[in-house]
Amino acid sequence: GQSLEQPSEVTAVEGAIVQINCTYQTSGFYGLSWYQQHDGGAPTFLSYNALDGLEETGRFSSFLSRSDSYGYLLLQELQMKDSASYFCAVREGRGSTLGRLYFGRGTQLTVWP
Amino acid sequence: DSGVTQTPKHLITATGQRVTLRCSPRSGDLSVYWYQQSLDQGLQFLIHYYNGEERAKGNILERFSAQQFPDLHSELNLSSLELGDSALYFCASSPQPGLAGETQYFGPGTRLLVL
Repeated sequence: GQSLEQPSEVTAVEGAIVQINCTYQTSGFYGLSWYQQHDGGAPTFLSYNALDGLEETGRFSSFLSRSDSYGYLLLQELQMKDSASYFCAVREGRGSTLGRLYFGRGTQLTVWP
Repeated sequence: DSGVTQTPKHLITATGQRVTLRCSPRSGDLSVYWYQQSLDQGLQFLIHYYNGEERAKGNILERFSAQQFPDLHSELNLSSLELGDSALYFCASSPQPGLAGETQYFGPGTRLLVL
């Protein structure tokens, strides 16, 4: 089966840096994605890592270590609008299961002024 | 606005009933995915269609079915509804047939309440 573990909530202040960790167990691992979801809204794609290392997109960076089955999302220069839920997701692919995307339970980030 | 549309936005129905949720993908996208999001289960992958064909199944109940039509819009049919089916149902689209690194664009969702 698949399992993804991420903290249920994180709090930080404006301007700070926060790291949201994700550990996973899956077969046929094809990559780790991160999505952001504001209350009542739809998930929106943030980043994707297929290989080990850091991917940077503006204030957001994502890291993957395949050997450790671990990744994280790093948010810098936090703004109030970053308050949202953040989901890690793994794409599993092995034979007919290619294309399944499994999401973690989400981390609720609250940014305080 | 992701370009993915879903109708209706809200749906209230009774147990035992049947409903159909509709999704129109972004222009040019061939893949459609359906997800269920509930408070206790998080975001669950249901099913993936690519260019009219089923590509992958997730935790979709036998009471649920889906299809993708020649114009690429998709419908998710939920039958014999139970209280536990109350959830937010999202569809998402992408250009490719489920490649690992592709972005999925989510619609605004349909909020289903079963009474």
